[in-house]
Parts: sequence; C-alpha cells; structure tokens
Amino acid sequence: GQQLNQSPQSMFIQEGEDVSMNCTSSSIFNTWLWYKQDPGEGPVLLIALYKAGELTSNGRLTAQFGITRKDSFLNISASIPSDVGIYFCAGQAGGTSYGKLTFGQGTILTVHP
Amino acid sequence: NAGVTQTPKFQVLKTGQSMTLQCAQDMNHEYMSWYRQDPGMGLRLIHYSVGAGITDQGEVPNGYNVSRSTTEDFPLRLLSAAPSQTSVYFCASSVTGGFRGGYTFGSGTRLTVV
Repeated sequence: GQQLNQSPQSMFIQEGEDVSMNCTSSSIFNTWLWYKQDPGEGPVLLIALYKAGELTSNGRLTAQFGITRKDSFLNISASIPSDVGIYFCAGQAGGTSYGKLTFGQGTILTVHP
Repeated sequence: NAGVTQTPKFQVLKTGQSMTLQCAQDMNHEYMSWYRQDPGMGLRLIHYSVGAGITDQGEVPNGYNVSRSTTEDFPLRLLSAAPSQTSVYFCASSVTGGFRGGYTFGSGTRLTVV
C-alpha cells in the first residue's frame, strides 16, 4: 500500500523559533492535508492542499504541495507554547483510493517557554 | 451541532469478547471512516464508507466489521477481541471524502484488550 514518511519524528524548540516538517510519499497524491492532535483528542485539520505547487497559509502556519505531488511541507513561524502537539500529514490519491486517507507517522512538537 | 460523537471513550475487554464502537455525526456527511492509532504508526484506515449502504476495507480490516444503515451512524464491531487490537480508535466524517475540506474526527475510543 501507499506509504508516507514524515520527518522529523520529534522536535524540541524554544518559544519564538520557526519549525519545519515534511512528508514524502512513494506515490502520487491528489490532496495533502495537515492535522494537529492535542493529547486525548482527535486530529484537527490545519491546512488542506489541492494542487501541485500550491502554497497555503493559516495564520502562522504555511504548507506547500510539492510539484512532484509526492511531498508536502509544513512550516510554523514564531512558535508559541500552545503549538505543542502531534502534527500529521495525510494524503489522498484519486481513483479507487478516493475517500481514503494515508497518514504519516506524526511529528511530536515540544515548545519550551 | 455536535460534530462527530464516539462512544464509549474508554473500554476494557477480555480476549475473545465482542463489542461495538459507536460513531455518529450530525453534519449530513456522506463519507465516514474508522482509523486506529498506535504509537509511532500514525493513523491507519480500518474501514470506510462513501454513503449509506456502501462500505469498503481499508489498510487493516481484519477482525473488524462495519455497516452503514443510515447517513448518521457508522458503528465498528470487534468480532473476537485480541490484545493486538489494543489501540485508540477514531471515527471521522467528511462531506467530500477529503477533497475540498478534509475529515472531521471524533475524540476517540481508547480500547484495552487483556
């Protein structure tokens, strides 16, 4: 099946620093999604990307859909303590995979005040 | 508008027992999915549905059954629980299956099989 490799697995940063994480796939996706999960909760959608090369922002978050359609990047600028959590990328291929999301392993973000 | 509601939030089962995890959404979403989350492995798709009466298998379907008799409900049945099914289970729904909107997730059911 499709595999998503997400890196880094964890990050420990100081408040105010910028953060970058990425996902790469062995196959092409039509949609890339970025989610954040707080402890004890379900993932919450941060940003959705729908076409190759697309760059989308949501406040301090910026994500890009790679031009090869096999990767995506998420950047968080000027991190704050409430950014702590697990960040997941998810991809959706077309055709018979429509409606099925494949998730990366997650990036655990810790922000030190 | 409650979104996606999962019950129970916690459950302990003995090996061999069966149970049903409930999922309901009030957003009139056609697409619904069940995922399990294990440490270091992200979320893996168990079963999904593109509408009432239509279900299909995901990446890890063995040991689980689903049915979709209404748009609102998508229960997940564990037929004979095994310790390997100890996990956190998430139900999710979407109006478009991930295209133009993504999935909305419930808060999860934490299942322990002893």
